[in-house]
Amino acid sequence: AQSVTQLGSHVSVSEGALVLLRCNYSSSVPPYLFWYVQYPNQGLQLLLKYTTGATLVKGINGFEAEFKKSETSFHLTKPSAHMSDAAEYFCASGGYNKLIFGAGTRLAVHP
Amino acid sequence: EAGVTQSPTHLIKTRGQQATLRCSPISGHTSVYWYQQALGLGLQFLLWYDEGEERNRGNFPPRFSGRQFPNYSSELNVNALELEDSALYLCASVGGTNEQFFGPGTRLTVL
Repeated sequence: AQSVTQLGSHVSVSEGALVLLRCNYSSSVPPYLFWYVQYPNQGLQLLLKYTTGATLVKGINGFEAEFKKSETSFHLTKPSAHMSDAAEYFCASGGYNKLIFGAGTRLAVHP
Repeated sequence: EAGVTQSPTHLIKTRGQQATLRCSPISGHTSVYWYQQALGLGLQFLLWYDEGEERNRGNFPPRFSGRQFPNYSSELNVNALELEDSALYLCASVGGTNEQFFGPGTRLTVL
């Protein structure tokens, strides 16, 4: 069965620091992988997705993620955190059938 | 282009009552997905409708049901409400790609 694990339910960084949110997946076949962001009292917004092709995926708001099959990972990074990046981030695996979500990582950005 | 819309924004019910939540997909999208985001339980897949048919169902009891109308909008019905049904219910739609676009959600509170 597919599963998605996000390491760290809470991550805190300083403004301007590197953001690294970890995601590992388990799947018997190459998955489609997604990162979503959720701001308070809102739905989910897609940051980026990996389907096939280039393993380094660039998304919105300066985020990017790298698909590493050997490590079954899809970590999300941003070189320089901004206060507006404070939100909850969800990694997901799947596709047309359904999405399997990780438990989420709440990112706090402090001055 | 209008996004996925959901109504109502908030819904308050008492135990044993029934709740009906509505979702309108993005124009041209034929698939609708429902997810439950309960406190401490993360995002759980509920139901998938495509072309008016239920295609897949998550691990939820039968009192969670729904339907999709000819215009591809969808209803989620929850019968015999229990306290633990309190959650944010998210709807998503999919068009020609594997990307799920999410609505803002309906927050259901069961008293």
